[in-house]
Amino acid sequence: QKEVEQNSGPLSVPEGAIASLNCTYSDRGSQSFFWYRQYSGKSPELIMFIYSNGDKEDGRFTAQLNKASQYVSLLIRDSQPSDSATYLCAVNPSGGSYIPTFGRGTSLIVHP
Amino acid sequence: DAGVIQSPRHEVTEMGQEVTLRCKPISGHDYLFWYRQTMMRGLELLIYFNNNVPIDDSGMPEDRFSAKMPNASFSTLKIQPSEPRDSAVYFCASSLDFGGDTQYFGPGTRLTVL
Repeated sequence: QKEVEQNSGPLSVPEGAIASLNCTYSDRGSQSFFWYRQYSGKSPELIMFIYSNGDKEDGRFTAQLNKASQYVSLLIRDSQPSDSATYLCAVNPSGGSYIPTFGRGTSLIVHP
Repeated sequence: DAGVIQSPRHEVTEMGQEVTLRCKPISGHDYLFWYRQTMMRGLELLIYFNNNVPIDDSGMPEDRFSAKMPNASFSTLKIQPSEPRDSAVYFCASSLDFGGDTQYFGPGTRLTVL
């Protein structure tokens, strides 16, 4: 069973702070990693993807991948109340079959 | 572009009834995915199609579930007979390619089986 683990939270941060969301995965051969944001009652929305070790930045978002340690993280700088949502980590496993495994998600609350 | 369209948005039915969920992918997208989301199990991929052909249905929970894609602009997910444990939000998503970095989700169908 290929696992993707996330702390369910909620993670509560003040407005303007950096929110750090973490995800670990069990399939060492995984190649593709995705972060989705899901507002309550809405559908998931892809916000970041990363394939290579290191950091990838997009505006206030930075994805960090460490394949040796099998974790991927999402940093949100200058957090805003509108960032309050559940963040899902998804991992595309090895083996050629596209069946992404999703984590249960981390609930983020940004309070004014 | 209207995005991925799903219908109905809400469905309440009784155990044993047949349920059909519908999806219209974004025009030009070659891949279509059906997901189920519950509090207990999170988001699970049930089946995906490429160019209307089912590629992997290993996520389909059991034979009560079936999915079809008769053409590039329409897909159905059918549950027959439905059971209370099928209650969930069912999402359809489509993408241009296999990589996953262009996957767009529909608004979902909230299914309640009494």
